[in-house]
Amino acid sequence: SAVISQKPSRDICQRGTSLTIQCQVDSQVTMMFWYRQQPGQSLTLIATANQGSEATYESGFVIDKFPISRPNLTFSTLTVSNMSPEDSSIYLCSVTGTGMETQYFGPGTRLLVL
Amino acid sequence: AQSVTQLGSHVSVSEGALVLLRCNYSSSVPPYLFWYVQYPNQGLQLLLKYTTGATLVKGINGFEAEFKKSETSFHLTKPSAHMSDAAEYFCAVSDRAAGNKLTFGGGTRVLVKP
Repeated sequence: SAVISQKPSRDICQRGTSLTIQCQVDSQVTMMFWYRQQPGQSLTLIATANQGSEATYESGFVIDKFPISRPNLTFSTLTVSNMSPEDSSIYLCSVTGTGMETQYFGPGTRLLVL
Repeated sequence: AQSVTQLGSHVSVSEGALVLLRCNYSSSVPPYLFWYVQYPNQGLQLLLKYTTGATLVKGINGFEAEFKKSETSFHLTKPSAHMSDAAEYFCAVSDRAAGNKLTFGGGTRVLVKP
């Protein structure tokens, strides 16, 4: 399976600011996804990052709040904009393998908003 | 819409005892099913998956799961718990009609007592 890294691994931010999270894969992948895991909760899909086109957002998530880029087949970024304490979560990227049915996850970015 | 229900948000087992984590799903098409494990301060690691073929699937770390279509279940078991099994476990179903997006259950936190 692909090796996935995320930067930063954790951060503490002030409300009203924005943070960009990077997801890097060591090989080309077809699909990349971004998830949010709120404290003590399960994972919720934010969006599918599409290479060369706009991301596809799930219900309840909007581009102005979570802009996503995917300039190539190995890299994507998620920005959390105008943060509030409610944005404190773990943000995880995932990718599909060659069979496309299995998702592999990065280590996550732990965000605390004060 | 697909959904996943994990019975029991917390499970406590003694070291050496059977681990049984329950997962029931709903899906309008034959499902792909997954179990992931999340250790403290880490991302998600794939334990095992069912796509097609044999309904009893074996995964890493001695875990296995059985797909039972008639019961819409995919319970995870391990015959003998080890202290290192203490983690959170997530069951997920893949939406094969929508780019293999994952829907996760609420998660089950496993505590292993010595």
